Amino acid sequence: DIQMTQSPSSLSASVGDRVTITCRASQGIGKSLAWYQQKPGKVPNLLIQAASTLQSGVPSRFSGSASATDFTLTISSLQPEDVATYYCQRYDDVPHTFGGGTKVEIK
Amino acid sequence: QVQLQQSGPGLVNPSQTLSLTCAISGGSVSSNNDAWNWIRQSPSRGLEWLGRTYYNSKWYSDYAASVKSRITISADTSKNQFSLQLNSVTPDDTAVYYCGRGWAIDYWGQGTLVTVSS
Repeated sequence: DIQMTQSPSSLSASVGDRVTITCRASQGIGKSLAWYQQKPGKVPNLLIQAASTLQSGVPSRFSGSASATDFTLTISSLQPEDVATYYCQRYDDVPHTFGGGTKVEIK
Repeated sequence: QVQLQQSGPGLVNPSQTLSLTCAISGGSVSSNNDAWNWIRQSPSRGLEWLGRTYYNSKWYSDYAASVKSRITISADTSKNQFSLQLNSVTPDDTAVYYCGRGWAIDYWGQGTLVTVSS
């Protein structure tokens, strides 16, 4: 099965900082990559699909990009409400594996 | 606006069957090419995709290898819902279980904490 490796597993940044989270697929998955945000005690929320397509209602400070098997989620200016754990997920084929998550905190 | 409402017991005895249902409103379980998924989350496993069912001229189901011998996901078109059955559960199956719609999952159920314990 294709593995999805996220890095870092956690990060701490200041309000206004640019934050980058990476997800690497062990094999090619095209652009079939989703990013989710999960706040403590809440259900995951889809932020981005097709590697870079922002879901309706998601703030424009979130963006996604892809380069071969490397995918990036960027928060251009970190806000207090962005404290959460972020997950990537492949959906090109089964199994629709999730990454291990990146916990984002405010410094 | 699609809404998914999960139901089922929060406590299951070891070796028994875990059964959860996800009722759909604002959408149809037999909508061509919409996928209906089950996912679980635990501290030890993180988010784990368990499987899906979808209709494309006929019904299909796919499962994660880790549970393939024990899992069934099925749709009930008369009730517009889909279900998860996981047999022979152990304490390792203790998790929050979610249902969700889509290939990228855009709608999620509220989650059900299922504890496997006697």
